[in-house]
Amino acid sequence: QKEVEQNSGPLSVPEGAIASLNCTYSDRGSQSFFWYRQYSGKSPELIMFIYSNGDKEDGRFTAQLNKASQYVSLLIRDSQPSDSATYLCAVRTSYDKVIFGPGTSLSVIP
Amino acid sequence: EAGVAQSPRYKIIEKRQSVAFWCNPISGHATLYWYQQILGQGPKLLIQFQNNGVVDDSQLPKDRFSAERLKGVDSTLKIQPAKLEDSAVYLCASSWDYSGNTIYFGEGSWLTVV
Repeated sequence: QKEVEQNSGPLSVPEGAIASLNCTYSDRGSQSFFWYRQYSGKSPELIMFIYSNGDKEDGRFTAQLNKASQYVSLLIRDSQPSDSATYLCAVRTSYDKVIFGPGTSLSVIP
Repeated sequence: EAGVAQSPRYKIIEKRQSVAFWCNPISGHATLYWYQQILGQGPKLLIQFQNNGVVDDSQLPKDRFSAERLKGVDSTLKIQPAKLEDSAVYLCASSWDYSGNTIYFGEGSWLTVV
């Protein structure tokens, strides 16, 4: 079992729709969870992080964490073409390693 | 605040040659990471330092890769000898403490092995 898994993608949504990105992790003792956005040819940039069960909102982005199910998601409301990128889920494990998932490619169609 | 600096940005070498990448983290950041990102994949942690010490290097191919962080600041990642499958972007990142909160990435060093 891989440490961090994500939807294989690519995911296509129309402009203005909600994009839903999912991530599961294997280490039950993981402490922190991050969502990064990576444009083609660029480095990852942090969108949000979440530590506690529940939802965390920041503008059009909402991160959801369910530690019992070992599941974290990112919702993007009112998706824009500029949101088209690869979204990386990262997890700080109980061993303090920061592990990334394979990423989900999102395409927002105008 | 200056970001994470990496050099060189691009490197093309022949297989069996050697290459070294340099990273200067954000000032004051205790933790430094080297990730390898192959096209179409997520970043793979090669080595994680906290100050001078190694937190994890379980994924570092130690027969050909080496990394050091002198005086808890700059770091160098070396590959010798390089293989075709080492073609990737090598991302250096840093964060304030070992918890990994808000990891900041450099622009990456693109390696092509021919």
